Amino acid sequence: SQQGEEDPQALSIQEGENATMNCSYKTSINNLQWYRQNSGRGLVHLILIRSNEREKHSGRLRVTLDTSKKSSSLLITASRAADTASYFCATDAGGNEKLTFGTGTRLTIIP
Amino acid sequence: EAGVAQSPRYKIIEKRQSVAFWCNPISGHATLYWYQQILGQGPKLLIQFQNNGVVDDSQLPKDRFSAERLKGVDSTLKIQPAKLEDSAVYLCACSLVGTEAFFGQGTRLTVV
Repeated sequence: SQQGEEDPQALSIQEGENATMNCSYKTSINNLQWYRQNSGRGLVHLILIRSNEREKHSGRLRVTLDTSKKSSSLLITASRAADTASYFCATDAGGNEKLTFGTGTRLTIIP
Repeated sequence: EAGVAQSPRYKIIEKRQSVAFWCNPISGHATLYWYQQILGQGPKLLIQFQNNGVVDDSQLPKDRFSAERLKGVDSTLKIQPAKLEDSAVYLCACSLVGTEAFFGQGTRLTVV
């Protein structure tokens, strides 16, 4: 079963704009991770945020985590055509590091 | 460091045939995952190993799917017999304790 659900399912923006994707999950977590997947390829890890952290930055990426609402958001600033991909959140919950993925957001950057 | 190697990249089989996928994880990564990703969906965890022991296989269709991890390193995932609905990309991933997962390129299976 899917632990997380991303919102929106699809997002199209102009190059240079910011893109925000949200993830909601159901159970307590150890950490939450965001991944990118280009069409037909494997997933690439973007950023990991632990349950005791509220915000994390990596380059043009900003992730927030609200454990009281069981939600996270991924912000990509100054988007580029190369950011076109599907983005997934994944939760690490329980004592055995089970990594469960959400349904994904398909991001399209329009040049 | 070398990444996660998977083979084959593509496989087309007829329904009721059997198929096997192979994964060589990053050296020293104790946790190994097999995921099934159907087109347009997120990856679904099939089985998780910690070294050569199974940690979670709650979503593995055990009547037709099997997996093993030899000596806590390489892993194989087998489907026998395959059904049309098994058409998907099968992803292998590995991780160290409490860190991010590294994924292979996946095997795209088409069952006809």
